[in-house]
Amino acid sequence: AQTVTQSQPEMSVQEAETVTLSCTYDTSENNYYLFWYKQPPSRQMILVIRQEAYKQQNATENRFSVNFQKAAKSFSLKISDSQLGDTAMYFCALFAGANNLFFGTGTRLTVIP
Amino acid sequence: SAVISQKPSRDICQRGTSLTIQCQVDSQVTMMFWYRQQPGQSLTLIATANQGSEATYESGFVIDKFPISRPNLTFSTLTVSNMSPEDSSIYLCSVEEMTSYSYEQYFGPGTRLTVT
Repeated sequence: AQTVTQSQPEMSVQEAETVTLSCTYDTSENNYYLFWYKQPPSRQMILVIRQEAYKQQNATENRFSVNFQKAAKSFSLKISDSQLGDTAMYFCALFAGANNLFFGTGTRLTVIP
Repeated sequence: SAVISQKPSRDICQRGTSLTIQCQVDSQVTMMFWYRQQPGQSLTLIATANQGSEATYESGFVIDKFPISRPNLTFSTLTVSNMSPEDSSIYLCSVEEMTSYSYEQYFGPGTRLTVT
């Protein structure tokens, strides 16, 4: 069975500061993918970043980077130089070959001006 | 990445009625997915729609309540039947892009359904 846990229901960060969102997961599969999705108030689910389990190097997309700790089954998202437009719900998700994305419960991030 | 559109973007419906949500993709895709997001909650997969075969439903979801059509490789519909206020949710369709070394899933803009 696959599980995804986000233990921070809400977080806030000052504009231009850095924030880290936590995610842990569990799967028995060896080949899997991890994702962070952003859902702003417009409700559009936007793929922020992807990490393949077979890659040791942490993924980076501009101001967004992940800390992928495979042994610990941890997959945190770091947002640098936070901007007001980063205010959104952030969902961690796991794809482990079952044609189904498993989502965490989300973290509501507020960027404070 | 695929561009996905949904119609309607939102609707307010009376209990006991049905609503059909359309999902259109700008490229041919094998699998399409329908998710439900109840207020303040995460996403839950309703079913997977494969062109040319019946949809595969997740536990807790049945075809009589959520019939799905997949007439071709770029289009799908989800019907929410005999609606009750508990069906008030955002409904999202998504598609996957998969290669031998990568996987991504993209979402449509969602349909916000309110049942009164």
